[in-house]
Amino acid sequence: EAGVVQSPRYKIIEKKQPVAFWCNPISGHNTLYWYLQNLGQGPELLIRYENEEAVDDSQLPKDRFSAERLKGVDSTLKIQPAELGDSAVYLCASSLDLGTSVAGELFFGEGSRLTVL
Amino acid sequence: KNEVEQSPQNLTAQEGEFITINCSYSVGISALHWLQQHPGGGIVSLFMLSSGKKKHGRLIATINIQEKHSSLHITASHPRDSAVYICAVKGRSDGGATNKLIFGTGTLLAVQP
Repeated sequence: EAGVVQSPRYKIIEKKQPVAFWCNPISGHNTLYWYLQNLGQGPELLIRYENEEAVDDSQLPKDRFSAERLKGVDSTLKIQPAELGDSAVYLCASSLDLGTSVAGELFFGEGSRLTVL
Repeated sequence: KNEVEQSPQNLTAQEGEFITINCSYSVGISALHWLQQHPGGGIVSLFMLSSGKKKHGRLIATINIQEKHSSLHITASHPRDSAVYICAVKGRSDGGATNKLIFGTGTLLAVQP
């Protein structure tokens, strides 16, 4: 079975341009995460979905970032307009979490590396 | 103080050495993950633990829920084990798991031949 699939793997854009990233989680996984990772640092949560509901978007810079997870499957993360400081790797992860007491194993995609010039 | 702390931050070992990386956390958890990230690479889940011990090949992970501590051991280390190892916990509130992940700062391991 395919793992978490992200695209594009690499994207280079000029500042003020829009960019979108796509994530296809593992089939059946109800929890989906978008993380931002800067070089040499750990992942920082942007948004977490449980099915189609965004249950934690407190760290998402809503003035320029938006995300959606229609039908609770695939998800897109958009930045408009991009700034120089947005250059980073954008990671998508998913897990199957059964109720409130059973946490599922976490699977990460390869990431989308964004360079803003 | 971070809710999840790892030690050491950097570790250099000789090939064949036994390696231990530690993770301490201060929150209630439903699970603890050990993750591996090679330089420039993606993140791979090594273990998910809620109690006891798990072993996979040369890797062993243990967790002590009472002491809020986990360790990742690598036996007979090899240069290909060189990577960042990250401890992440899934928070747990009184009402149950929150599914919120809290990451440690990572341990950069370099295994020299």
